[in-house]
This record gives sequence, structure tokens and C-alpha cells, in this order.
Amino acid sequence: GAVVSQHPSWVICKSGTSVKIECRSLDFQATTMFWYRQFPKQSLMLMATSNEGSKATYEQGVEKDKFLINHASLTLSTLTVTSAHPEDSSFYICSANGGLYTGELFFGEGSRLTVL
Amino acid sequence: AQSVTQLGSHVSVSEGALVLLRCNYSSSVPPYLFWYVQYPNQGLQLLLKYTSAATLVKGINGFEAEFKKSETSFHLTKPSAHMSDAAEYFCAVSRNFGNEKLTFGTGTRLTIIP
Repeated sequence: GAVVSQHPSWVICKSGTSVKIECRSLDFQATTMFWYRQFPKQSLMLMATSNEGSKATYEQGVEKDKFLINHASLTLSTLTVTSAHPEDSSFYICSANGGLYTGELFFGEGSRLTVL
Repeated sequence: AQSVTQLGSHVSVSEGALVLLRCNYSSSVPPYLFWYVQYPNQGLQLLLKYTSAATLVKGINGFEAEFKKSETSFHLTKPSAHMSDAAEYFCAVSRNFGNEKLTFGTGTRLTIIP
């Protein structure tokens, strides 16, 4: 199957700073990428859907200015948590599909953000 | 709107015993259903998916699930549990094949007792 890679796997930052998380499709062109947030011992909550070259579609209740999503190429999407606060600490997971893999989602390894 | 309900946030079974993880769905259209497994601090791995081709779906690692429309269920089973099966399992639903916006259940943590 296809491979989706996230970087960094772990990140610790100070309150008020911004953090960027990358999601890459390594062996296919991802026309669509999804960003999820997972709180401890809870399920995945879809934050936004991004299509290459267009603005992301955010789910209700997700702050667009807080969670900036960019999908500038067919192999890369980024999530930037701006002015991070401790309540933004979470596990962020991306998924992607596209090309020969349309119809199946592939998930990244996740990125754990801790805001001090 | 679509949703899935996973009954039992924690399930414990003995090694070698049957694994049964329950998932019920709610959908206004024929659903596409998925089971994913998540190991600690990792992303999700697809176990199997139902896309209306066959009601009994076989997946990886010896897991299978049966789609029962009359019961609106898609329970996950494995005849004999292995220690390596200990993980979090998520059931998910989407409206159609090709629309991969998934709605996840709350998850079931499977513990294997030696």
C-alpha cells in the first residue's frame, strides 16, 4: 500500500509559539488530505479536508485562523498551529488518498504536540 | 448524518480466545464501513472494509467482519486472539466509496490476557 509520513513525530513548544506539522505522501500523489485531532483515549475528530491547490474546508467548530492548513503540492500538506496554547496539546493525524489509491485512505504515523 | 457506535470501550480476552468487537452504524444511505487498528502513538492501519461487494469481509491479521443490514451491525471478529492484537480498534463509516470523509466511532481498547 501507499505510505504517508508525518513530521515531526513529537514536538514540544512554548505557549504562544507556532508549530508546523508536515504530512507527505511518499509514493503517490495525494489529491485530498485530511487532518484529524485525537485527544487521549478518544476517537479521531476530523478537523479539515484539503485539496491540492485550493483552500481547506474546515469542520464546524474548528478555528481556521488557529489551524492553518496548506496543500500546496500533490505530495505535501502542512498544518500550522498558531499561537499554541496548552489546550492545543493533542495527537494530530493526517490521511491521504489519490492517484491509484483513490477510494482508500492512508494514515500518517501521527504527531504529538505538547504545549507548555 | 452518519454515525457508528462501538459498544464497549474496553474488551479483554484471553490469548487464544475469540475476539468480538462490536460496531453498529446509522446511515441514511447504504454505508461503507471500515475497521482500523491503532497501536500506541501511531497512526491508523486499515484492517478491512465493506464496500457492498460481499457481506463477509476478510482483513489482515486474521480479522474478519460481517455486514448485517437487518441489525445495522459490522462486528469485528478473530477466532484466536494473539498478544500482538492488543491495540485500539476503531470502526468508521463513510457515505460512499470515493468519499473518504470518515466518521469514527469512539474506539475499543483490546487487552489480551496471557
